[in-house]
Amino acid sequence: DIQMTQSPSSLSASLGDRVTITCRASQGIRNDLTWYQHKPGKAPKRLISAASSFQSGVPSTFSGSGSGTEFTLTISSLQPEDFATYYCLQHNSYPYTFGQGTKLEIK
Amino acid sequence: QVQLVESGGGVVQPGRSLRLSCAASGFTFSRYGMYWVRHAPGKGLEWVAFISYDGTNYYFADSVRGRFTISRDNSKNTMYLQMDSLRAEDTAVYYCVEGSNDYWGQGTLVTVSS
Repeated sequence: DIQMTQSPSSLSASLGDRVTITCRASQGIRNDLTWYQHKPGKAPKRLISAASSFQSGVPSTFSGSGSGTEFTLTISSLQPEDFATYYCLQHNSYPYTFGQGTKLEIK
Repeated sequence: QVQLVESGGGVVQPGRSLRLSCAASGFTFSRYGMYWVRHAPGKGLEWVAFISYDGTNYYFADSVRGRFTISRDNSKNTMYLQMDSLRAEDTAVYYCVEGSNDYWGQGTLVTVSS
């Protein structure tokens, strides 16, 4: 199975900050990676697909990059609604696997 | 509009069984593979199982393989998750998902407790 190592597990930041979250795959997954935002009591929301493709309706402050084994999600300027937990998901091979999550909190 | 509605959650004793259902509407259910994702209290998201559009292929997470089965009835636009030999660590909100279009249900809570 492919393991996804996500870091950091938590992050404290201020409004307007730029933050970066990283996922590392235990083997190459091409660009078969999706980033999700998850808020309590709601279903997860897809932000980025195919490692770097924007989703309709997602603010342009979100961007993704990477291929193979190293991937990053960047939020260029934190807004109040961005404080949530973020996950990567590899969908290169079954079983699919999520990263452990990054909880983004207000400093 | 698109809807995925999970049902069948509840409180169950360890070792017992439960069957979850996911009723789909608003899209052509029979064209898409579907999967289940769960979120245990205080833990991260966990991918659980997948079934192909026609029900002929399926895959499971290591943590549930051999205990859970997945099926679908395209005539009823419904997917199922049969959960046997339940353990406390299966306690979670279970979501059904159509991943191509990012359709998610609202989730159903399964609590495994004596």
